[in-house]
Amino acid sequence: EDQVTQSPEALRLQEGESSSLNCSYTVSGLRGLFWYRQDPGKGPEFLFTLYSAGEEKEKERLKATLTKKESFLHITAPKPEDSATYLCAVQAGAAGANNLFFGTGTRLTVIP
Amino acid sequence: ETGVTQTPRHLVMGMTNKKSLKCEQHLGHNAMYWYKQSAKKPLELMFVYSLEERVENNSVPSRFSPECPNSSHLFLHLHTLQPEDSALYLCASSQDGLYGEKLFFGSGTQLSVL
Repeated sequence: EDQVTQSPEALRLQEGESSSLNCSYTVSGLRGLFWYRQDPGKGPEFLFTLYSAGEEKEKERLKATLTKKESFLHITAPKPEDSATYLCAVQAGAAGANNLFFGTGTRLTVIP
Repeated sequence: ETGVTQTPRHLVMGMTNKKSLKCEQHLGHNAMYWYKQSAKKPLELMFVYSLEERVENNSVPSRFSPECPNSSHLFLHLHTLQPEDSALYLCASSQDGLYGEKLFFGSGTQLSVL
């Protein structure tokens, strides 16, 4: 069964304390892996798409990497405004939205 | 207006009520989606309208009924809901509904069923 697991469930960091969020997946035929950010009371906002192992994407303090089994979202010197829930989603198998599987997210809190 | 707009933002309804959620996208996309988001659960795809084709999650109860009159508007009609249907309902759009596309989400409707 296709599955996406995110860890940790919650993470508290001091401002400036770098860390990583993990998204591990067991799917057949990875088409793409997506990272989204969700602020309280809002819908998810797209961050990155990764398509193949070894690929990396960066945006400001965030860097996403992909291996054959997992993806990491590295946060370098985070600021309080980086506080949000980060969602991972994996597109597997055939094309189509019904083959997009989301994780339950990591809730990140950055303390000033 | 830009992006994906959902109304209402909050909705409280009794189990015997009938209500509708509305979604409008201003991005020129061809695919629109309804997702359900419950606490500590993954986003659950409910329905997709893509290039005039409808795809639905077979586990969605018939008390949820989607309507997509055109590529910019999407509705979710609700009737005789149960308390376990309380959740955040998210609308999203994408370019064509194909793989590898990013989704653009609205802010959601927080639904409470009493």
